[in-house]
Amino acid sequence: DAGVIQSPRHEVTEMGQEVTLRCKPISGHDYLFWYRQTMMRGLELLIYFNNNVPIDDSGMPEDRFSAKMPNASFSTLKIQPSEPRDSAVYFCASSTWDTKTQYFGPGTRLTVT
Amino acid sequence: AQSVTQLDSQVPVFEEAPVELRCNYSSSVSVYLFWYVQYPNQGLQLLLKYLSGSTLVKGINGFEAEFNKSQTSFHLRKPSVHISDTAEYFCAVSSNTGNQFYFGTGTSLTVIP
Repeated sequence: DAGVIQSPRHEVTEMGQEVTLRCKPISGHDYLFWYRQTMMRGLELLIYFNNNVPIDDSGMPEDRFSAKMPNASFSTLKIQPSEPRDSAVYFCASSTWDTKTQYFGPGTRLTVT
Repeated sequence: AQSVTQLDSQVPVFEEAPVELRCNYSSSVSVYLFWYVQYPNQGLQLLLKYLSGSTLVKGINGFEAEFNKSQTSFHLRKPSVHISDTAEYFCAVSSNTGNQFYFGTGTSLTVIP
C-alpha cells in the first residue's frame, strides 16, 4: 500500500511567487495534517482536517497561507505571496481515528530566494 | 492541553553501548504516546506507540519504551546502538479526545564508531 505522497519534493521559487504544495493521504484515512519543520522552530502543526473539513488552523502563520482539501484523496497548501522566511520542509501526515497513528510523507523542501 | 518535553537535545553514544532518550509529558486526560525517528532528509517514521495494555512497548530496530503514568514519562531505550541509529528522535502525545499530536523538540542521537 502506498504511503502518504507529497509533491513536489523540492521547490525553489523567488520571493513574491505563489507556491502550491500537494498531498495525497493514505487511502481510508480521515485525518490529514500539514506541518512545517525548521531548525529554529522545530516541527509545527499548521492545520489539520477531519473528513475534508478544517478543524484547527490556529498554526497557520498568516493570511498568506491557505489550505484546502477538496476530497478525501487530495489536499493543497498554498503560500501567496511567498517570502524567504517561508523556507522550510513541509510535511503532510494522515491518520485514522481508531489507530491514532500519524503516517508522514517524505516532505517538500521549499526554498524561497 | 498536552505538552511534551524531551530533556536532551543531543545525545552522543558509542557504538554497541546502550542508550536512553528521555520524554516527559503533561496531560489532564488519558494519553497515547509515540516515538518517531527522522533520518537526514527524510520524513518521520514511526518507531513505536503506546495506546493501552502493557506499559512496555517494543518497536522496530530493537527499540523499546516504557510508559510510566506516575512519572508521566515515556523513555526510549536500546540496549546496543548501531551507527545506523544516528538520527533525530521525536516523542509525541495525543489524547482520547482527538488525533492531534503534540511533539517534543527532538533529540539528536549520534552514534560514535
